[in-house]
Amino acid sequence: KAGVTQTPRYLIKTRGQQVTLSCSPISGHRSVSWYQQTPGQGLQFLFEYFSETQRNKGNFPGRFSGRQFSNSRSEMNVSTLELGDSALYLCASSLMANNEQFFGPGTRLTVL
Amino acid sequence: GQNIDQPTEMTATEGAIVQINCTYQTSGFNGLFWYQQHAGEAPTFLSYNVLDGLEEKGRFSSFLSRSKGYSYLLLKELQMKDSASYLCAVKNDYKLSFGAGTTVTVRA
Repeated sequence: KAGVTQTPRYLIKTRGQQVTLSCSPISGHRSVSWYQQTPGQGLQFLFEYFSETQRNKGNFPGRFSGRQFSNSRSEMNVSTLELGDSALYLCASSLMANNEQFFGPGTRLTVL
Repeated sequence: GQNIDQPTEMTATEGAIVQINCTYQTSGFNGLFWYQQHAGEAPTFLSYNVLDGLEEKGRFSSFLSRSKGYSYLLLKELQMKDSASYLCAVKNDYKLSFGAGTTVTVRA
């Protein structure tokens, strides 16, 4: 069974640009969550989607948004990038809400 | 709000036992997870507790006391490959809140 895949794996952008990251969950998993990981703040929850509906959102500005498609694939978008957005963005999928989450390899975003 | 505390670092010898404690104060509780993360890699699932008590899975065991807001992860027969960061996470309202992680270093 294929794991969670994320594209791209690495990305370099400049301040003010926008970026879209993609996540394909494990086949059959309908819940997709996104996290930001930085050395200073650790792993922080961004949002969770189930059946195309956002069920919870973390404490991030409105520049961070996401969506989920009918095939459970998910995208997250960050607009007007800031230097502080440089981080590893992780996507995780699970079968149901309280099952273990399986993480993808992440997208390493660098904002210059 | 969510407050999840765990020690920053621990060091142990190969073959020994290490216990990583996690205390939490959260507005709700749907379960507690432990994840392992090697440097430069994604977290991988280790254990899940939703009821009080001990869950054992091979060399790893996890304990939960909901009334005390306390959990621990026990790593037995430590191996060099166990050197990693161990993350405690609490699930509530479809959201997983992570502690800062405990870096475990296993020495020969």
